Amino acid sequence: GDSVTQMEGPVTLSEEAFLTINCTYTATGYPSLFWYVQYPGEGLQLLLKATKADDKGSNKGFEATYRKETTSFHLEKGSVQVSDSAVYFCALSDPAGYNKLIFGAGTRLAVHP
Amino acid sequence: DAGVIQSPRHEVTEMGQEVTLRCKPISGHNSLFWYRQTMMRGLELLIYFNNNVPIDDSGMPEDRFSAKMPNASFSTLKIQPSEPRDSAVYFCASSLRASGGQADTQYFGPGTRLTVL
Repeated sequence: GDSVTQMEGPVTLSEEAFLTINCTYTATGYPSLFWYVQYPGEGLQLLLKATKADDKGSNKGFEATYRKETTSFHLEKGSVQVSDSAVYFCALSDPAGYNKLIFGAGTRLAVHP
Repeated sequence: DAGVIQSPRHEVTEMGQEVTLRCKPISGHNSLFWYRQTMMRGLELLIYFNNNVPIDDSGMPEDRFSAKMPNASFSTLKIQPSEPRDSAVYFCASSLRASGGQADTQYFGPGTRLTVL
């Protein structure tokens, strides 16, 4: 079945460092891809999404490009801030279905001043 | 604009007691999802409703769990009897699914942290 694999955390960075969180997926169809972020004590918030190959999602300085050839959707940010400390989830949904989200395990990011 | 509302935010109960979690989806959304989050199993979809009808309940762990959606603005997840292994954060999410088309983004509530002693 469909699945999402993302790099294990925690990822610890200094402020203004470059961030990459890897995400790869397995799907039989043509899924939409998402990054959600969860701040401590809160629910998940959509960070960005891409619905077809070569689409780039972007928001708040974060970017991810839907790469069909490598089945990847890596999250990047050029300069992280302490306020970016959170858990990041990569997810896919099957457009042929009912938008059931399949989540990766999550990657915890800690940014230090 | 109010987001998804869940209550209570925290629930502590004793094993064997009945627990009811509540969710109010975003107005106008026609799809509702219940998820469970634990350290061991991550995020799991429990049940999905579309237009108030349960479509996929394959993620409901066992008969102790039940969910209802009596109208478009309210859903409950009930655990009876509760057990310590049910301790988790339970999230409700809603989205808008156009007829015959893709569903829109899922919007999550803040979650209910359940502790069963």
